[in-house]
Amino acid sequence: NAGVMQNPRHLVRRRGQEARLRCSPMKGHSHVYWYRQLPEEGLKFMVYLQKENIIDESGMPKERFSAEFPKEGPSILRIQQVVRGDSAAYFCASSPQGANEQYFGPGTRLTVT
Amino acid sequence: KNEVEQSPQNLTAQEGEFITINCSYSVGISALHWLQQHPGGGIVSLFMLSSGKKKHGRLIATINIQEKHSSLHITASHPRDSAVYICGTETSGSRLTFGEGTQLTVNP
Repeated sequence: NAGVMQNPRHLVRRRGQEARLRCSPMKGHSHVYWYRQLPEEGLKFMVYLQKENIIDESGMPKERFSAEFPKEGPSILRIQQVVRGDSAAYFCASSPQGANEQYFGPGTRLTVT
Repeated sequence: KNEVEQSPQNLTAQEGEFITINCSYSVGISALHWLQQHPGGGIVSLFMLSSGKKKHGRLIATINIQEKHSSLHITASHPRDSAVYICGTETSGSRLTFGEGTQLTVNP
């Protein structure tokens, strides 16, 4: 059973470009969480999704950021018009249902130049 | 707003020592998670607990709901235990709030 997969592992974007981060949860997991870890800072919750539904997006910036978890395929975190302050490690975690242990992916390290 | 505080921020130990990392939080929670972040950046979930105590190998996690406090203990520490240990609290809807982490270095 493969773990949580994220790709790409490293992503470099110029200011103003779009970044798309993908997360494939563990098999059988229908809950996905996205977290961001800014340089020298702790992990911060961004968004919690179930298949085709956003359950809690209270940690996500109101502008330029969006997330989806379609019926088929991976969850996508999309950042439009990236700025240098978006440079961070973005972690995805999944669980079989809410209120359960969360399994983390390896993260995507986004660098905005 | 739930505040999660970990102590110490940094901890250096000699191989074989018993280690304790503390986590305090400010509101009622449904569960508490302990995570380990390796030097390469990857994150592993160590424990999820809502009461009492859990043990896995040399790691032990305890929680006191009344005191709003949890501890992570490592017995017979080893250099490979060197990592950042992160406490995360779960309130409503499975969203986690994290402490700033404890950087542990175990010297041979």
